[in-house]
Amino acid sequence: QSVLTQSPSASGTPGQRVTISCSGSSSSIGSNYVYWYQHLPGTAPKLLIYWDNQRPSGVPDRFSGSKSGTSASLAISGLRSEDEADYYCATWHDSLNGWVFGGGTKLTVL
Amino acid sequence: EVQLVESGGGLVQPGRSLRLSCAASGFPFDEYAMHWVRQVPGKGLEWLSGISWNSINRGYADSVKGRFTISRDNAKNSLYLQMNSLRSEDTALYYCAKDNDRDYGGHLDFWGQGVLVSVSS
Repeated sequence: QSVLTQSPSASGTPGQRVTISCSGSSSSIGSNYVYWYQHLPGTAPKLLIYWDNQRPSGVPDRFSGSKSGTSASLAISGLRSEDEADYYCATWHDSLNGWVFGGGTKLTVL
Repeated sequence: EVQLVESGGGLVQPGRSLRLSCAASGFPFDEYAMHWVRQVPGKGLEWLSGISWNSINRGYADSVKGRFTISRDNAKNSLYLQMNSLRSEDTALYYCAKDNDRDYGGHLDFWGQGVLVSVSS
């Protein structure tokens, strides 16, 4: 059981907008920045969003992050087939004094 | 270009030890904290340990505290994870990751491709 809760799966058709959610607590998301990673099995996870809503250079603006209270969301607009991957949220946990990840959301592009 | 290459994985019997290494290049290794993260087959990512740039601060997940030890050699641009008393549930793909800060509370910005550890008799 992951400390951060994500829906196991999400799907959309090319061009659509999909949203992936991440739920935590006051000790995690509620008091720390949220990060999002894109992961294709067997490859290096890639940082998509940092500090709740900032994109590293090279990440398309189709990807956006937001946070409210103890929950966060990743939105992907103009969905493409290459977006099919696993997406993980992460944050620092004050009580555990370490990093925690969500269980991951498998995005399928139909 | 940041590169992180893990090595040292393999098949090991329960109760035995294994040492993972991560060779870093493309950035000033001695200025950044580093991490180990793992992924059990079919499961999500799990943070295991972090170490500050100067090795003074180290943190561990409860699941590995007392069994795993993180260390680094800045002269060799290398990160290590000494894993003792291995269990079948430690079977996973182990990733090395760079932090964007000197202490391990920044965030994980670059990752390696991982090395597989299988614990079985």
